[in-house]
Amino acid sequence: GAVVSQHPSRVICKSGTSVKIECRSLDFQATTMFWYRQFPKQSLMLMATSNEGSKATYEQGVEKDKFLINHASLTLSTLTVTSAHPEDSSFYICSASALLAGVGPNEQFFGPGTRLTVL
Amino acid sequence: GENVEQHPSTLSVQEGDSAVIKCTYSDSASNYFPWYKQELGKGPQLIIDIRSNVGEKKDQRIAVTLNKTAKHFSLHITETQPEDSAVYFCAATFTGNQFYFGTGTSLTVIP
Repeated sequence: GAVVSQHPSRVICKSGTSVKIECRSLDFQATTMFWYRQFPKQSLMLMATSNEGSKATYEQGVEKDKFLINHASLTLSTLTVTSAHPEDSSFYICSASALLAGVGPNEQFFGPGTRLTVL
Repeated sequence: GENVEQHPSTLSVQEGDSAVIKCTYSDSASNYFPWYKQELGKGPQLIIDIRSNVGEKKDQRIAVTLNKTAKHFSLHITETQPEDSAVYFCAATFTGNQFYFGTGTSLTVIP
């Protein structure tokens, strides 16, 4: 149980285009989803936290107009990188948490990540 | 906010030996401490966690210990195998859900 999927797993795009990444909780309803960014050999950097039906809360230094987050349902959140540039190339990972029977409120389940390369 | 430090950054052990990774945290309010294993090109996978009301937890070859007074917690892997090679991250959080991650430990198990 508690499986989180991401799509696509890899994407290559041209500079100036927009890219959408989907994060889905497959077997539970995620009240909260998180988006992280990870550079090579570095830790996970929280970008934003989103709750279903409300606006995402962005971390300091993360441009909300650049990284659009939509948490339209309890099983789906999307991250859109708008007007992508080479410096946006990174590994993007989502996670989801929920109040599950037998699971505490703090546990996060991570997706497999999306490798974005902007040419 | 919370600050989590993790040591060592790299660790090499012979197959069959034990590996220990230690994390310290700053916020005494933190009450949940998960450990994640991340293989190259994949997302982190939860391998074990501990809550502040427990001092130790074990799951087969993996154990985690927590010292609330000293504000540190450690991951112990016994009888290491080559498939244990990965990057391990610790995290600390309290109710409110934001996780504060350590900087990661790259573990290499030498056959």
